[in-house]
Amino acid sequence: KQEVTQIPAALSVPEGENLVLNCSFTDSAIYNLQWFRQDPGKGLTSLLLIQSSQREQTSGRLNASLDKSSGRSTLYIAASQPGDSATYLCAVRQGAQKLVFGQGTRLTINP
Amino acid sequence: DGGITQSPKYLFRKEGQNVTLSCEQNLNHDAMYWYRQDPGQGLRLIYYSQIVNDFQKGDIAEGYSVSREKKESFPLTVTSAQKNPTAFYLCASSIGQGNSGNTIYFGEGSWLTVV
Repeated sequence: KQEVTQIPAALSVPEGENLVLNCSFTDSAIYNLQWFRQDPGKGLTSLLLIQSSQREQTSGRLNASLDKSSGRSTLYIAASQPGDSATYLCAVRQGAQKLVFGQGTRLTINP
Repeated sequence: DGGITQSPKYLFRKEGQNVTLSCEQNLNHDAMYWYRQDPGQGLRLIYYSQIVNDFQKGDIAEGYSVSREKKESFPLTVTSAQKNPTAFYLCASSIGQGNSGNTIYFGEGSWLTVV
């Protein structure tokens, strides 16, 4: 059974710092991995999707990497801003329509 | 604007009562999903539908029911058999079954509380 783990559960950093969020998964047989952002009481917003054949994806200040063989992905946020404060979730896609989610990392950027 | 609309945003259910959460999408997506999120936890799949008039159980389907009579609509009924229904419910959609590499999009969610 696929298990997705995100560590740490919470992270607080000063504004302007670069930071890395981690995601690990137990079964490397995945179609893709997706990173989401969730603001309190809101739905999820897709940030980046990495196909199983890809190593990384970039969007603005965000860069996500995927090492399928080791079961790991990282989300790198450059020059963090208070508006980046949110919960970040990763999810791996297995099977036709099955996404398995991690529990998320709650990020706080302090001005 | 294209997107996924969930209603109501907040819903209160009495013991023994069935309630239905609405989910409508105008993205022309074939696949739709319902997830449940409990505080401090990730999302768990309740039901999904890959095409009209077809749906499959997810990991926690007990106490829930769905229908998919129209492509754009995928309502979720929380029945009295669901013993712990208080949670945040999220509806999502994606292009389709044969496109496992495509992004999944989420609605804004519905809060259900048992009173």
